[in-house]
Amino acid sequence: GNSVTQMEGPVTLSEEAFLTINCTYTATGYPSLFWYVQYPGEGLQLLLKATKADDKGSNKGFEATYRKETTSFHLEKGSVQVSDSAVYFCALLYNNNDMRFGAGTRLTVKP
Amino acid sequence: EAGVAQSPRYKIIEKRQSVAFWCNPISGHATLYWYQQILGQGPKLLIQFQNNGVVDDSQLPKDRFSAERLKGVDSTLKIQPAKLEDSAVYLCASSLDGGILYSPLHFGNGTRLTVT
Repeated sequence: GNSVTQMEGPVTLSEEAFLTINCTYTATGYPSLFWYVQYPGEGLQLLLKATKADDKGSNKGFEATYRKETTSFHLEKGSVQVSDSAVYFCALLYNNNDMRFGAGTRLTVKP
Repeated sequence: EAGVAQSPRYKIIEKRQSVAFWCNPISGHATLYWYQQILGQGPKLLIQFQNNGVVDDSQLPKDRFSAERLKGVDSTLKIQPAKLEDSAVYLCASSLDGGILYSPLHFGNGTRLTVT
């Protein structure tokens, strides 16, 4: 079935460190891929998305590239800030309404 | 714009009791979703409404869960009777018509249910 697997957390980094959160997917056909973020005390919100192979989604300094050959959509940021501390969810959209989420990765950035 | 509103924020009940959650989506959003998020897992879709009609309820445990969206706006999710494994955060989300790809999900803060 359609699913995503993301790296387990928690991840703890120092401010200005490089971030990678791995996400791989299993799907039939051609899904769209998303990263959602949940800041403390808030609801999940869309961070970025990519709709086809080789697309790069980007927002707030975060990037992820849709890699069909490796079935991956890893989230990266070159220099994290304390304000990036949150839980990050990789998700796969199939048939325009069937959204499957990963288990989430908690990121803590220390000053 | 006002976000998706959910209440209550927290609820503690004993097993076999019943409970109801309420959601008010963003104004104008035709599509409403209920997700269940068990600790350590990602959200899992329970039911999707398009206006006041059910689009997908294939993952809703219908022997104990029910949901309605009267008049195509507010929605209520009910559990009766609750089991221990129902302990989770129940998330409501809404989106404009047209599917998630073109109109992203907007989530509420959720209701955290603990069944003892």
